[in-house]
Amino acid sequence: DTEVTQTPKHLVMGMTNKKSLKCEQHMGHRAMYWYKQKAKKPPELMFVYSYEKLSINESVPSRFSPECPNSSLLNLHLHALQPEDSALYLCASSQIPGRTGGTEAFFGQGTRLTVV
Amino acid sequence: AQSVTQPDIHITVSEGASLELRCNYSYGATPYLFWYVQSPGQGLQLLLKYFSGDTLVQGIKGFEAEFKRSQSSFNLRKPSVHWSDAAEYFCASSGGSYIPTFGRGTSLIVHP
Repeated sequence: DTEVTQTPKHLVMGMTNKKSLKCEQHMGHRAMYWYKQKAKKPPELMFVYSYEKLSINESVPSRFSPECPNSSLLNLHLHALQPEDSALYLCASSQIPGRTGGTEAFFGQGTRLTVV
Repeated sequence: AQSVTQPDIHITVSEGASLELRCNYSYGATPYLFWYVQSPGQGLQLLLKYFSGDTLVQGIKGFEAEFKRSQSSFNLRKPSVHWSDAAEYFCASSGGSYIPTFGRGTSLIVHP
């Protein structure tokens, strides 16, 4: 099983709403990621969790709040978003290799977020 | 720091023709290299990966890629393109860490 499951697939929210995006994997991966992707652009890294701890925050505004409740789940809490935050949000996971190892990331299908 | 360059924004090919998508990387040591494909509104699917060893890598859907250290390249090839191959293709690298960094992508257009 190489599946990363994201819910919901589509989300429309107002600028005063609070919502959450969810991501789940059962591959035993200990690294999980959130990426943001605008149309016709590559994915941009937002956050990385390693062993359930936040290891990278790419200077993301605080209106995005990640959470990793356990090794299989990753959430992204959204509050007071702006219309420019509308994008495809992708979750990914991977193993954490040893010093000389490599590993591939597996991506979910994404959540299409529209902020109105 | 690592970086990945995809020089072509769009590539147009006829169905049945061969395909080569270019990717150049910048990293001092041997990088870990990947090609992903993305259909509109979908997530990214891994086509193939290179970590070490044989420089010609076979992937899914009939794709292959060749790692050339002397040219800092990892070009993606397919001998005969199908209309269903039309999509966005991303080259990625995780040299130095396990976190993939993406090139800007190449949009493949397939003409019947």
